[in-house]
Amino acid sequence: SQQGEEDPQALSIQEGENATMNCSYKTSINNLQWYRQNSGRGLVHLILIRSNEREKHSGRLRVTLDTSKKSSSLLITASRAADTASYFCATEDNNDMRFGAGTRLTVKP
Amino acid sequence: DGGITQSPKYLFRKEGQNVTLSCEQNLNHDAMYWYRQDPGQGLRLIYYSQIVNDFQKGDIAEGYSVSREKKESFPLTVTSAQKNPTAFYLCASSIRVSAFYGYTFGSGTRLTVV
Repeated sequence: SQQGEEDPQALSIQEGENATMNCSYKTSINNLQWYRQNSGRGLVHLILIRSNEREKHSGRLRVTLDTSKKSSSLLITASRAADTASYFCATEDNNDMRFGAGTRLTVKP
Repeated sequence: DGGITQSPKYLFRKEGQNVTLSCEQNLNHDAMYWYRQDPGQGLRLIYYSQIVNDFQKGDIAEGYSVSREKKESFPLTVTSAQKNPTAFYLCASSIRVSAFYGYTFGSGTRLTVV
């Protein structure tokens, strides 16, 4: 069964704008990860944030984690058309990894 | 280059037929996984393996079977008992069963029943 739930389900923005995607989950976690999937392809690991971390950066990506609210957000700054993809959060607890249904991001040139 | 190779990319199955999806990795990862993805949905775990000759059922194992005779290989057989097999199948691996270091995914196999 799914653990994380992404919000929104779909997001459409203009190139250069920032994109924010949210993930909520239900149980305790060891870490939370974000993945990207281009259409018809496999998932690519973007970033991992541990349960004792609050914020993490990687290039144009910024991830936050609020364990009290059981939520995380992924911010992509200065978006590009090549960022168009689906983004999934995955939560891990006791070696059990669960994926959400994803946010479909479209960046218009 | 290290990675995971899934083949074939597209597969067509007739009713009542068993088919096998291949997954090979050269990352020296201990753990391997099979996921099923349906349109607009997340990934659901079919089977996973922590070490050679060992595997565990995931959430939707009915109608599927796996083997792990070699560390590099984790083939998935979709049997005729799987009533709705049309989906996108993804294989993944990790250093060990904990996802702490992230999963590496293959490019997927799209299976269609004809």
